[in-house]
Amino acid sequence: AQSVTQLDSQVPVFEEAPVELRCNYSSSVSVYLFWYVQYPNQGLQLLLKYLSGSTLVKGINGFEAEFNKSQTSFHLRKPSVHISDTAEYFCAVDMKTSYDKVIFGPGTSLSVIP
Amino acid sequence: GAGVSQSPRYKVAKRGQDVALRCDPISGHVSLFWYQQALGQGPEFLTYFQNEAQLDKSGLPSDRFFAERPEGSVSTLKIQRTQQEDSAVYLCASSLGLGAETQYFGPGTRLLVL
Repeated sequence: AQSVTQLDSQVPVFEEAPVELRCNYSSSVSVYLFWYVQYPNQGLQLLLKYLSGSTLVKGINGFEAEFNKSQTSFHLRKPSVHISDTAEYFCAVDMKTSYDKVIFGPGTSLSVIP
Repeated sequence: GAGVSQSPRYKVAKRGQDVALRCDPISGHVSLFWYQQALGQGPEFLTYFQNEAQLDKSGLPSDRFFAERPEGSVSTLKIQRTQQEDSAVYLCASSLGLGAETQYFGPGTRLLVL
């Protein structure tokens, strides 16, 4: 069965410092990979997605992620965070069923410290 | 164009009461998903609609949960005889349904069962 692991439940980081949020997945078949962000009292919003091709994917708000097939990872990075990046971040796997059933990880809470 | 909307945003129910949660997807979106998000967790899949057809309801936790989308647009998630463990945020998402799609999420309905 497919699953998504986000090892860090909470990540505090100082403003303008770099950050990496880790995501690992398990699947016996190829998948699509996503990162979503959830701001307080809002719905989830897509940051970026990997479908195929280049393993380095760039998203909105300066975020990027790198797909590593051998390590089954899809870590999210940003070189310099801003206060407004404080939010919950979810890694997700699309199992490529007929209708794109998505499995979400438990989330990582990013807190940017001024 | 408007995004996905959900109503009510907050619902307090007494244990045993029936509740109905509404989702208005983005116009023209074929696919509609319902998720349950417990506190501090990632969204968990409940059910999927393609137009008016409910193609997957494997995530519904019990037969007290029922979802419909009779005209292929607005969807309602109904929970009968609510229990305290039903307390969660219920998220609705829609997509074009063309494959490898970004899902667009509503703000969610926060249900508290007392």
